Amino acid sequence: ETGVTQTPRHLVMGMTNKKSLKCEQHLGHNAMYWYKQSAKKPLELMFVYSLEERVENNSVPSRFSPECPNSSHLFLHLHTLQPEDSALYLCASSHFRGRSGANVLTFGAGSRLTVL
Amino acid sequence: DQQVKQNSPSLSVQEGRISILNCDYTNSMFDYFLWYKKYPAEGPTFLISISSIKDKNEDGRFTVFLNKSAKHLSLHIVPSQPGDSAVYFCAASAGGSQGNLIFGKGTKLSVKP
Repeated sequence: ETGVTQTPRHLVMGMTNKKSLKCEQHLGHNAMYWYKQSAKKPLELMFVYSLEERVENNSVPSRFSPECPNSSHLFLHLHTLQPEDSALYLCASSHFRGRSGANVLTFGAGSRLTVL
Repeated sequence: DQQVKQNSPSLSVQEGRISILNCDYTNSMFDYFLWYKKYPAEGPTFLISISSIKDKNEDGRFTVFLNKSAKHLSLHIVPSQPGDSAVYFCAASAGGSQGNLIFGKGTKLSVKP
């Protein structure tokens, strides 16, 4: 497989469930990201991992818990979510080179989450 | 407050004509600007970028123009094709921020045959 793969593509969960979203990149990139896309809102950056270390957490509620076990895999663990957390969750990766060039992110197809 | 704004939610253009998608930003520290295209049920895909030290970058049918004094950039697609129908996102990054991209809300382009 090539590119960025996200599973599952669709997920329906109740507010008391625990589930996880998985992302895998086959591009040899050194940074991975979780973005949230809600209706009529810009893509919101949630978490950034660079070389497997979390470098940014954009005031995301603790009911979202990221995990990056290695440079190719990224998880988003979900626990006691709210209906307003229903959205498209996009994973991305990039080869971040500091200030020498645009940081081009490659996105997965997304995981559509519905919280009942 | 939104740092990257795409004020037109939608745009309709005839096939063969020019499509112009606009984007405004507020942060003067942004040093790279990118355009992404998104089809339904797919993730955004990178189209073209421009550095803040340039005012134009061209790649085939796609040209991005940057006006730093106005904090405005635009994406021109010439000629437009029905396959260009998608949502277009403008994004920007500031040096020293891990290159994190800040996105606009997107503009839905419809190219009619």
